[in-house]
Amino acid sequence: LAKTTQPISMDSYEGQEVNITCSHNNIATNDYITWYQQFPSQGPRFIIQGYKTKVTNEVASLFIPADRKSSTLSLPRVSLSDTAVYYCLVGEDTGRRALTFGSGTRLQVQP
Amino acid sequence: DTGVSQDPRHKITKRGQNVTFRCDPISEHNRLYWYRQTLGQGPEFLTYFQNEAQLEKSRLLSDRFSAERPKGSFSTLEIQRTEQGDSAMYLCASSFLTQEETQYFGPGTRLLVL
Repeated sequence: LAKTTQPISMDSYEGQEVNITCSHNNIATNDYITWYQQFPSQGPRFIIQGYKTKVTNEVASLFIPADRKSSTLSLPRVSLSDTAVYYCLVGEDTGRRALTFGSGTRLQVQP
Repeated sequence: DTGVSQDPRHKITKRGQNVTFRCDPISEHNRLYWYRQTLGQGPEFLTYFQNEAQLEKSRLLSDRFSAERPKGSFSTLEIQRTEQGDSAMYLCASSFLTQEETQYFGPGTRLLVL
């Protein structure tokens, strides 16, 4: 199971672009990279998933370099409502079909 | 279908009491998962079901924890003889059989053991 490393916290202001980078040096060939978002007192919510290059949806973009040893979640023009914890997950807990969450990145958006 | 629901949302109990939580997954989903989350940490996997079969339970924290999904629809998580260390958020999630990395979480049940 690939271990992930991401910043503990980040601060931003409304309207700015936020980039959260996750390191996963021992990612396996078959592993996908998935990001979840969690607001206080709510369950995590799937944001985006990718395998390589770039993926974009209505919420975010995910940039994955060719070596796949890191990935960057990009949130365009954040608002106060983007204040949340963001988790980077790689692969799955093989055989257990479980998601393995780290401590995530706590993003605080200021007005 | 409005998503995964959990009941109750909050539970306060005294040490030694038994508690049971319910989860109603998204109806089309075969897989149902239980996680526990403590303050400042990410969710921690406990167990999962594929339809009514419990396929993984070695991560349940102790033999005081048990889960069921009798008809392959809703699930219950029971904690017997609660301890103060059981205080946490208990999260349920569901997914399609072939999309385990895309799980849909409920709002959670917050348990406080006094």
